[in-house]
Amino acid sequence: AQKITQTQPGMFVQEKEAVTLDCTYDTSDPSYGLFWYKQPSSGEMIFLIYQGSYDQQNATEGRYSLNFQKARKSANLVISASQLGDSAMYFCAMREGIQGGSEKLVFGKGTKLTVNP
Amino acid sequence: NAGVTQTPKFRVLKTGQSMTLLCAQDMNHEYMYWYRQDPGMGLRLIHYSVGEGTTAKGEVPDGYNVSRLKKQNFLLGLESAAPSQTSVYFCASSRDRRFSGNTIYFGEGSWLTVV
Repeated sequence: AQKITQTQPGMFVQEKEAVTLDCTYDTSDPSYGLFWYKQPSSGEMIFLIYQGSYDQQNATEGRYSLNFQKARKSANLVISASQLGDSAMYFCAMREGIQGGSEKLVFGKGTKLTVNP
Repeated sequence: NAGVTQTPKFRVLKTGQSMTLLCAQDMNHEYMYWYRQDPGMGLRLIHYSVGEGTTAKGEVPDGYNVSRLKKQNFLLGLESAAPSQTSVYFCASSRDRRFSGNTIYFGEGSWLTVV
């Protein structure tokens, strides 16, 4: 069974508008962490934001925020005021068993975001 | 991605040749990982290590071997390269797994083509 599902292969957004990238996850572990990474065309993996399963508030980092809905097992990334430089692949990832320990970070298949001028 | 260095960054191999990818980190991290990235597949874990002298299989270990003789280095070997191993390989490292947040650092990737 797929652990991380990103249902949007591609998304388009106009510059300066907000965009939401979807991510749902599957785990029975009460302790887990959710990550979003950005991969521009140059190929490097850039960490954007993290949400722990026990965190009380939704994570925010500058223009990035994570809409964490635990009961629905979703962790959508919201990018506000899109910029041309936001055009990239975006990956959602999960690390289970944070408290007890887990060695594996599992990735979704990604969403390609294109920001139009 | 300061701190995690992969070499080489690009390589073309003939089927059946062998090669080794080197990952080096200078952050004194315990955990190190090798992933491969293929179009439409995200990143898939090949092997990982939770400390010097230890290695373990990930999701797609077949055709690869690894070694962690020194804490700072994690080597990924292809003994007999196959076209199916054409991919982009990423190394990553992290602190103790109990710590969350952005403690997983990635290298810049190694592009490998097997012809």
